[in-house]
Amino acid sequence: KAGVTQTPRYLIKTRGQQVTLSCSPISGHRSVSWYQQTPGQGLQFLFEYFSETQRNKGNFPGRFSGRQFSNSRSEMNVSTLELGDSALYLCASSWGTWGNTEAFFGQGTRLTVV
Amino acid sequence: QQPVQSPQAVILREGEDAVINCSSSKALYSVHWYRQKHGEAPVFLMILLKGGEQKGHEKISASFNEKKQQSSLYLTASQLSYSGTYFCGTEIDGGSNYKLTFGKGTLLTVNP
Repeated sequence: KAGVTQTPRYLIKTRGQQVTLSCSPISGHRSVSWYQQTPGQGLQFLFEYFSETQRNKGNFPGRFSGRQFSNSRSEMNVSTLELGDSALYLCASSWGTWGNTEAFFGQGTRLTVV
Repeated sequence: QQPVQSPQAVILREGEDAVINCSSSKALYSVHWYRQKHGEAPVFLMILLKGGEQKGHEKISASFNEKKQQSSLYLTASQLSYSGTYFCGTEIDGGSNYKLTFGKGTLLTVNP
């Protein structure tokens, strides 16, 4: 059974550019969540999607957006990149809600903004 | 309302025990534990639910004190493979079921 796949693994972008990250969940999983991981802040929740609907959103500016497709694959987009957006972006998939279900994380996309 | 983990870091010798704590200022519905090794994805260890249900790996032991909004992860007879950063994730009771808020992590190092 294939795990959660995130592409690309590494990205280097310039301030002001935009970027799109992709996440393919485990087959059959309908929930996809995104997290930003930085050394100082740990794992910060971005948003969660289930069956193409965003069910919850973290405290990030509107430059951070996402979507989910009918096959459960998800993308997140960051516009007008800032140096502080440099981080590891992780997505996690689960078959149901977070509360009583384990989640499987991808290896992440390492974004560096210069 | 990020949960607070303690200690921030701990160093053990193989075979020693450790306890990692996670506390919240809010009433909790569930506590999740994950371990992340350097350069790898976080891996699920255990879920503890309000009411006493637990789901997780057999060799992992944890507790959830609902009244104190605290959870503890017990690592006994530690092995080198236990090294990594341990995160607790909490879900607020009565809040959204679609969001886990993680602590900043506890770095565990097991030496031979």
